[in-house]
Amino acid sequence: DQQVKQNSPSLSVQEGRISILNCDYTNSMFDYFLWYKKYPAEGPTFLISISSIKDKNEDGRFTVFLNKSAKHLSLHIVPSQPGDSAVYFCAASGNFGNEKLTFGTGTRLTIIP
Amino acid sequence: NAGVTQTPKFQVLKTGQSMTLQCAQDMNHNSMYWYRQDPGMGLRLIYYSASEGTTDKGEVPNGYNVSRLNKREFSLRLESAAPSQTSVYFCASGPLWSSYEQYFGPGTRLTVT
Repeated sequence: DQQVKQNSPSLSVQEGRISILNCDYTNSMFDYFLWYKKYPAEGPTFLISISSIKDKNEDGRFTVFLNKSAKHLSLHIVPSQPGDSAVYFCAASGNFGNEKLTFGTGTRLTIIP
Repeated sequence: NAGVTQTPKFQVLKTGQSMTLQCAQDMNHNSMYWYRQDPGMGLRLIYYSASEGTTDKGEVPNGYNVSRLNKREFSLRLESAAPSQTSVYFCASGPLWSSYEQYFGPGTRLTVT
């Protein structure tokens, strides 16, 4: 039972354009969401997070949007750069981050120069 | 400041053999975690230690044991390895028992034949 789903295993985007990565969740108790980025042969690194009391959080080129009614979140990267090529994991938690993380299956983003 | 270190980086075991994966962090974090990453499955929590002296089961604990040796070190033991335990194992740490700000090690790629 996959409670956090990333339905696109891969995505290719031209350099300079917007990358949009999507994530859906089924557990209505989730109220804290995170994105992690992973390069090959490295561990995931924290990218950005959002609490369910907000619907948008921005950090430089990265913005996460949360649609609670649709149980959907998305990560926007603008503009996309070659160094953004990586696997992106969506993760969710309950109790505003005080529960264990549940990860999605990941989306491999490739930025085309 | 090395962050989270894991040894070994690679390991090949025969079915039935045992081994211990080592993890250490130098960030004075209270919480430590062991995850496994499998294709199409994302990251799944095996065991965690919310603070020194405590350990708890995660989503997929069967076939594993853990030891929180001290605040810095958290080891994962496979008593009798099985091919289903072929995976990439990640250790992570965090300052508090919370899901955000988890810092991951580089991973151990384990193959069981």
